[in-house]
Amino acid sequence: KAGVTQTPRYLIKTRGQQVTLSCSPISGHRSVSWYQQTPGQGLQFLFEYFSETQRNKGNFPGRFSGRQFSNSRSEMNVSTLELGDSALYLCASSLISLHFGYNEQFFGPGTRLTVL
Amino acid sequence: AQSVTQLGSHVSVSEGALVLLRCNYSSSVPPYLFWYVQYPNQGLQLLLKYTSAATLVKGINGFEAEFKKSETSFHLTKPSAHMSDAAEYFCAGGSQGNLIFGKGTKLSVKP
Repeated sequence: KAGVTQTPRYLIKTRGQQVTLSCSPISGHRSVSWYQQTPGQGLQFLFEYFSETQRNKGNFPGRFSGRQFSNSRSEMNVSTLELGDSALYLCASSLISLHFGYNEQFFGPGTRLTVL
Repeated sequence: AQSVTQLGSHVSVSEGALVLLRCNYSSSVPPYLFWYVQYPNQGLQLLLKYTSAATLVKGINGFEAEFKKSETSFHLTKPSAHMSDAAEYFCAGGSQGNLIFGKGTKLSVKP
């Protein structure tokens, strides 16, 4: 079974631009979560989608948004990019929603975003 | 506030030596605990998980962790380090809503 795939793997943008990252979960997984990883803040939860609905959201500004499609693929969008948005963005999928307690998350390789 | 704390951002051991990576969680973190490993330029791979069953959890690659509620700890151990264990390790606590990660511990293995 194929793992979680994320595209693109690397991205360079300039301040003020917007960016869209894509995540394809493991086949059959309906929950997709997004995390931001930076050297200073570590791994921080952005949001989780389950059955095309945002179930949970972390403490990030409204510039960060996402969506999930009927095939469970997910995209996240960051508008008006800032230098501090430079990070590794990780997507994780699981069979069921995080909202229902324990479930194992499988991570993709991430998208490395650099904002100049 | 919920938190997961990893003691030591860098740990260095000799090949063949015991690996001990420490993780403490706040009592408000539900007892779903995980250890993940991250190799350079890769995502996170699950090493092991605790889900209220046995307190001693065995994972992949010879790693294990013991859940100690009285100490709110979930330390990761491996009896004998291998060069291939060099990576960054993350402890995480599961909650209804999201995974809370520790800051990570970089493990170096000296020949």
